[in-house]
Amino acid sequence: EPEVTQTPSHQVTQMGQEVILRCVPISNHLYFYWYRQILGQKVEFLVSFYNNEISEKSEIFDDQFSVERPDGSNFTLKIRSTKLEDSAMYFCASRERVNTEAFFGQGTRLTVV
Amino acid sequence: DAKTTQPNSMESNEEEPVHLPCNHSTISGTDYIHWYRQLPSQGPEYVIHGLTSNVNNRMASLAIAEDRKSSTLILHRATLRDAAVYYCILNNYGQNFVFGPGTRLSVLP
Repeated sequence: EPEVTQTPSHQVTQMGQEVILRCVPISNHLYFYWYRQILGQKVEFLVSFYNNEISEKSEIFDDQFSVERPDGSNFTLKIRSTKLEDSAMYFCASRERVNTEAFFGQGTRLTVV
Repeated sequence: DAKTTQPNSMESNEEEPVHLPCNHSTISGTDYIHWYRQLPSQGPEYVIHGLTSNVNNRMASLAIAEDRKSSTLILHRATLRDAAVYYCILNNYGQNFVFGPGTRLSVLP
């Protein structure tokens, strides 16, 4: 069964460093998302991406964050200068069309120290 | 904020059916009703979704009220592996999914 793959599974970084979280969505999917979940809290939307541009973003997705689909298969989330409060699980998701189901990856646990 | 209301927690015995309710009184005509679940330390997993008619798949059934203001996810025979947080989410034309706190389902052996 096709799946969304995220790497790395766990990343530890120092405050102020840049991190790039990588995702490989399912190959024929057109809509891509990033979510995060701080330990013990709700899953929160960050950004959605369609047709090579951001279609929607939340208040969390400020200038420190950026997304890219560099080569037609990978979908990346970059945090330019990490803060302690960026520590969370980050989930990538993709869906084939509007109103189809979304598939989520297993997540990257980001720990900022 | 999430536009659905679910009980915080529910319990079920193993091998018995489970009915997880969801209220969505402000649903619009083009909102699909999606259900996802999240097992401990894992990403959300798709369970089922529908628009107006009841839906069945290998994991569950979705019963949608005639006025669409509520729905029920039915697990026909709960197993220990079904212990998870279940999210009922309204979604429209590719918009992002808004997760609420969901229902934490405990399955007792």
